[in-house]
Amino acid sequence: NAGVTQTPKFQVLKTGQSMTLQCAQDMNHEYMSWYRQDPGMGLRLIHYSVGAGITDQGEVPNGYNVSRSTTEDFPLRLLSAAPSQTSVYFCASSYSIARVKFFGPGTRLTVL
Amino acid sequence: GQQLNQSPQSMFIQEGEDVSMNCTSSSIFNTWLWYKQDPGEGPVLLIALYKAGELTSNGRLTAQFGITRKDSFLNISASIPSDVGIYFCAGYNNNDMRFGAGTRLTVKP
Repeated sequence: NAGVTQTPKFQVLKTGQSMTLQCAQDMNHEYMSWYRQDPGMGLRLIHYSVGAGITDQGEVPNGYNVSRSTTEDFPLRLLSAAPSQTSVYFCASSYSIARVKFFGPGTRLTVL
Repeated sequence: GQQLNQSPQSMFIQEGEDVSMNCTSSSIFNTWLWYKQDPGEGPVLLIALYKAGELTSNGRLTAQFGITRKDSFLNISASIPSDVGIYFCAGYNNNDMRFGAGTRLTVKP
């Protein structure tokens, strides 16, 4: 099993550009989620999904969109990047929504 | 929103010493979790707690779910150099997962 994979590992965007952060898991987990981690802070939940076709907002959803067309993939879209979205983004998957176990390696995003 | 206060912010200890850190909240959580994060990597789940008063061990790590459901504690016994990293607490309630700001642990050989 590859576990949770994220691409790209690093990305630099200009303000106003759009992009999609990719996340995939091969463990057949129903629950997937996206977090952002800023310096000196813990992770904050952006969006989550409890299964294909079902998504919901977390603590900090503004500026981000998600969709879940398959169990395996859960992409995160930035429609118009802003400097405030400079952060490290982690995708996670698990069997249980209350026990997030598998995190991807992260995507380090810089918005200029 | 629910905020988790994690302390201490950082710790510098000698190899072999025991370590204690804690996490408190003004709100109740149904699940408490503890993670470790190494530089450039995602968090790794160490311990999950599901009941108030629960005490769970994972090797040299022991964590407790506070009786009030508003706090949790993590102890590391006989620290070793590979314990270096950032330890995060997390609380879960009603589809919401909140993380503390982390405790940065440095172990001096």
